[in-house]
Amino acid sequence: QSALTQPASVSGSPGQSITISCTGTSSDIGGYKYVAWYQQHPGKAPKLMIYDVTNRPSGVSNRFSGSKSGNTASLTISGLQAEDEADYYCSSYTTSRTWVFGGGTKLTVL
Amino acid sequence: EVQLVESGGGLVQPGGSLRLSCTTSGFTFNSYWMNWVRQAPGKGLEWVANINQYGGEKNYVDSVKGRFTISRDNAKDSLYLQMNSLRGEDTAVYYCGRPSSGFSGIEYWGQGILVTVSS
Repeated sequence: QSALTQPASVSGSPGQSITISCTGTSSDIGGYKYVAWYQQHPGKAPKLMIYDVTNRPSGVSNRFSGSKSGNTASLTISGLQAEDEADYYCSSYTTSRTWVFGGGTKLTVL
Repeated sequence: EVQLVESGGGLVQPGGSLRLSCTTSGFTFNSYWMNWVRQAPGKGLEWVANINQYGGEKNYVDSVKGRFTISRDNAKDSLYLQMNSLRGEDTAVYYCGRPSSGFSGIEYWGQGILVTVSS
């Protein structure tokens, strides 16, 4: 049950696009379509931004998109806005019928 | 409106026990797997446990196996986490969560409840 691997931090200027990677194994990301991404602002509960690798819940901006290749999933945020500054976490279902999260990525909007 | 409200947190001594509750409303509780996720102060999210719709399957992260027990009462639309033999590293905000469907991501979260394990 090792955590998924994410970069500790990424940054971008308003209007730019950024991508956050999330690397796992064939026992989690590589084996299932159940990859999700969460946004968390300080002191708040996480918010689901992407589920099933590519799907957005109702109300989530289409500036957020997800993808997967092999054992690595990615979250792309286009047209960066100040309110996108937050921590982002990936997660995946696993062969052990458990879930695993990534260590989190702090996004700074310059 | 879907709502999840945790209760039962607080300060407990190492080796002690605590039972968290998650009271839900606004959806058909017995149609969903349910989860507990925690976040230690200043740290990332950690999935803790889940339970299927009727309690017949329960899964845990290795660090809590044998100490924590997840359960549910569908008649009361409530989820529970019994935490025994608590350790300092169990100190965290605990969230209950409901997936959008099946094993998709956790779409609905409670506000979180703080558990502090300290002497």
